[in-house]
Amino acid sequence: SQTIHQWPATLVQPVGSPLSLECTVEGTSNPNLYWYRQAAGRGLQLLFYSVGIGQISSEVPQNLSASRPQDRQFILSSKKLLLSDSGFYLCAWSGSGFSTDTQYFGPGTRLTVL
Amino acid sequence: ILNVEQSPQSLHVQEGDSTNFTCSFPSSNFYALHWYRWETAKSPEALFVMTLNGDEKKKGRISATLNTKEGYSYLYIKGSQPEDSATYLCAFTGSARQLTFGSGTQLTVLP
Repeated sequence: SQTIHQWPATLVQPVGSPLSLECTVEGTSNPNLYWYRQAAGRGLQLLFYSVGIGQISSEVPQNLSASRPQDRQFILSSKKLLLSDSGFYLCAWSGSGFSTDTQYFGPGTRLTVL
Repeated sequence: ILNVEQSPQSLHVQEGDSTNFTCSFPSSNFYALHWYRWETAKSPEALFVMTLNGDEKKKGRISATLNTKEGYSYLYIKGSQPEDSATYLCAFTGSARQLTFGSGTQLTVLP
């Protein structure tokens, strides 16, 4: 069966520090991968998605970047965190990019930027 | 920018009550409507994917309907139980083929 892992579970970082969140998927190959953020009081916002190694699409302009160095690994990064980067970050995968495809979510990372 | 609205934002019901909430989405360029349940300290879990106008889906005591012409979907819970307490998210898929989520309805079922 497929599983999705994210780490760390929680993170407290000072403003201006770098960020690296990692997501890995097991039990499937060539998944579509997604990074979402939920800011306080708001819905899930799609940040990045990837259909394959090295292929990243950004949905919103921001202080963050994403990379996919391996088929089942998706990394969210920042060189310098802002206060507004605080939130709950979820990684998800799907089997394809079809509109009816279910996305399966990881456990998430709670990021607090102070 | 796609606008997916959910109402109410939150509600409290007594155990055994039936309840429903609404998801509104753009009626043009519709591909699919997803419902997810997100329990505290867990990952969002898919409930339904709906694609056709008039579609009805059911999973135990939870059901959903879809009206793509007017751009809304209802989620119903019959005989609410405390374990139904969660945030219910809807997500719209349009021609961009990515999920656009609403902000969710937070349901609390009181014993």
